[in-house]
Amino acid sequence: TQLLEQSPQFLSIQEGENLTVYCNSSSVFSSLQWYRQEPGEGPVLLVTVVTGGEVKKLKRLTFQFGDARKDSSLHITAAQPGDTGLYLCAGAPGDYKLSFGAGTTVTVRA
Amino acid sequence: EADIYQTPRYLVIGTGKKITLECSQTMGHDKMYWYQQDPGMELHLIHYSYGVNSTEKGDLSSESTVSRIRTEHFPLTLESARPSHTSQYLCASSEYPLTLYFGPGTRLTVL
Repeated sequence: TQLLEQSPQFLSIQEGENLTVYCNSSSVFSSLQWYRQEPGEGPVLLVTVVTGGEVKKLKRLTFQFGDARKDSSLHITAAQPGDTGLYLCAGAPGDYKLSFGAGTTVTVRA
Repeated sequence: EADIYQTPRYLVIGTGKKITLECSQTMGHDKMYWYQQDPGMELHLIHYSYGVNSTEKGDLSSESTVSRIRTEHFPLTLESARPSHTSQYLCASSEYPLTLYFGPGTRLTVL
């Protein structure tokens, strides 16, 4: 049983469209992170959210942490082909070991 | 930018061979990790270390072993590779609080 459920598993959109990726759990997390992984590379940290209800923006990417600290979302505005990749959420239930979701593969077509 | 390296990047070997996957970081991080990644599945933690001479098994049962003799070096060894070991292996290091820096990974294929 996965601790973190990500949806959708795959997402293919046209350049300029918006998209949202979800990360849900029945557990409470002290923090949640989002990573992006490109083919042939390791994941790269995009953001860490630590406060329930927190919203963080990174250029066209908006990250939100649920009020109860059990879920998070990633919204991309006006997606570009450079946004293509595997988006992973990860959470720390309390110790120093992260649990990862299975990821959402995003493809942005030019 | 993170400085963490993995070699080899790709490896194809036959069943029964002993292999070592190398991982080195130049950031002086105490914490290092090995994850296994398969398509459509979450990353599974197979080993971690909180410092020199400290190693622990992760959540996923693994037949591999690790060592941490130096802060910068965290190799993973498979004594006898099997086709079930075919996977992508990711090494990472971190400093508090849990900001993981990943290497590029080693894609292992066991025939």
